[in-house]
Amino acid sequence: GAVVSQHPSRVICKSGTSVKIECRSLDFQATTMFWYRQFPKQSLMLMATSNEGSKATYEQGVEKDKFLINHASLTLSTLTVTSAHPEDSSFYICSARARGAGGSYNEQFFGPGTRLTVL
Amino acid sequence: SQKIEQNSEALNIQEGKTATLTCNYTNYSPAYLQWYRQDPGRGPVFLLLIRENEKEKRKERLKVTFDTTLKQSLFHITASQPADSATYLCALGDTGRRALTFGSGTRLQVQP
Repeated sequence: GAVVSQHPSRVICKSGTSVKIECRSLDFQATTMFWYRQFPKQSLMLMATSNEGSKATYEQGVEKDKFLINHASLTLSTLTVTSAHPEDSSFYICSARARGAGGSYNEQFFGPGTRLTVL
Repeated sequence: SQKIEQNSEALNIQEGKTATLTCNYTNYSPAYLQWYRQDPGRGPVFLLLIRENEKEKRKERLKVTFDTTLKQSLFHITASQPADSATYLCALGDTGRRALTFGSGTRLQVQP
């Protein structure tokens, strides 16, 4: 099956620094990538939808200047948490949707997640 | 607003029994529904997809039903094994290019 990787898997940073998380589709082209955030024992909450070559669409309440998303190619999207604070500590998960596979019900493939801890 | 409910309490069953997990939704007319498995500290892994015009889907020991009148999906694992212990998430999607909307998941614990 399709594989999505994330890097890094775990990051600890100081408050005020910026952190970049990469999401790659390894064996397929992803027209759309999604970024989710998950707090302990809670559901995945969509942060933004990223389409290759265009600006990301952010969900209500998500600060676009704080969570910068770049989808420069069909296999790579990055999420940069700028000026991170302890409340940004969470599990960040990306998913990728394959180009043209199976009509409207394209399966999403999830990355393994990135655990961010801001001290 | 859209709401997806999964039993937040953990489901504990004995090995070999059938586990049944429930997903109810309101204020939503999904085109399809998906079930995922998530292990601690890992991303979700896709299990099954069922479309709005399908009543039931099977894959090995897994079975999913979808009742759009009741706005409910049931997820069954037959002959459960301790390795099936995980959190199971249901997610709803539409025909547009939107992301999935996830429930909060139900933790399943299969006792040997």
